Amino acid sequence: NAGVTQTPKFRILKIGQSMTLQCTQDMNHNYMYWYRQDPGMGLKLIYYSVGAGITDKGEVPNGYNVSRSTTEDFPLRLELAAPSQTSVYFCASSYDTGQEQFFGPGTRLTVL
Amino acid sequence: GNSVTQMEGPVTLSEEAFLTINCTYTATGYPSLFWYVQYPGEGLQLLLKATKADDKGSNKGFEATYRKETTSFHLEKGSVQVSDSAVYFCALRTSYDKVIFGPGTSLSVIP
Repeated sequence: NAGVTQTPKFRILKIGQSMTLQCTQDMNHNYMYWYRQDPGMGLKLIYYSVGAGITDKGEVPNGYNVSRSTTEDFPLRLELAAPSQTSVYFCASSYDTGQEQFFGPGTRLTVL
Repeated sequence: GNSVTQMEGPVTLSEEAFLTINCTYTATGYPSLFWYVQYPGEGLQLLLKATKADDKGSNKGFEATYRKETTSFHLEKGSVQVSDSAVYFCALRTSYDKVIFGPGTSLSVIP
């Protein structure tokens, strides 16, 4: 099993550009999550999904959008990149809410 | 509200030293508690968990006991190795099934 995979690993964006961070899991998990990790700040939940076609906001959703058309994929979209979105982004999945979350390796994004 | 507080790092220890990383929480109801570990360049992975008061979670020589009276879930290991160098996150699952992570504590173990 590959588990949770994320692409790209690194990306540099200019202010105002847009991009999509990809996330795929092969564990048939219903629940998927997007977090951002800022230095010394732990993880902040951006968006989550409880199943295909269902998404909801987390703590810090502004500036991001998500979709969940399949169980496996949960892409995160940045429409107008800002320096405040410089961070490491982690995708995670779990079988059920509150159960162990399995994390991808992360995407390091820099906005200049 | 619900929150998790961890001791500030970085923590630097010599190999075979005793490790304690403090974690305290604030939550309504009866949360489940977790420790996740993040090795350099990787995502987080579950290290251990406890679901009710007085439960002890253990894995890879690490232990943590769910203390409801002191709202704590301190992580301990009797003898750390260089390979334990990582960032450790305490987390809780609230009664509304949301998981809240602490800020993380960086551990460096030197030979």
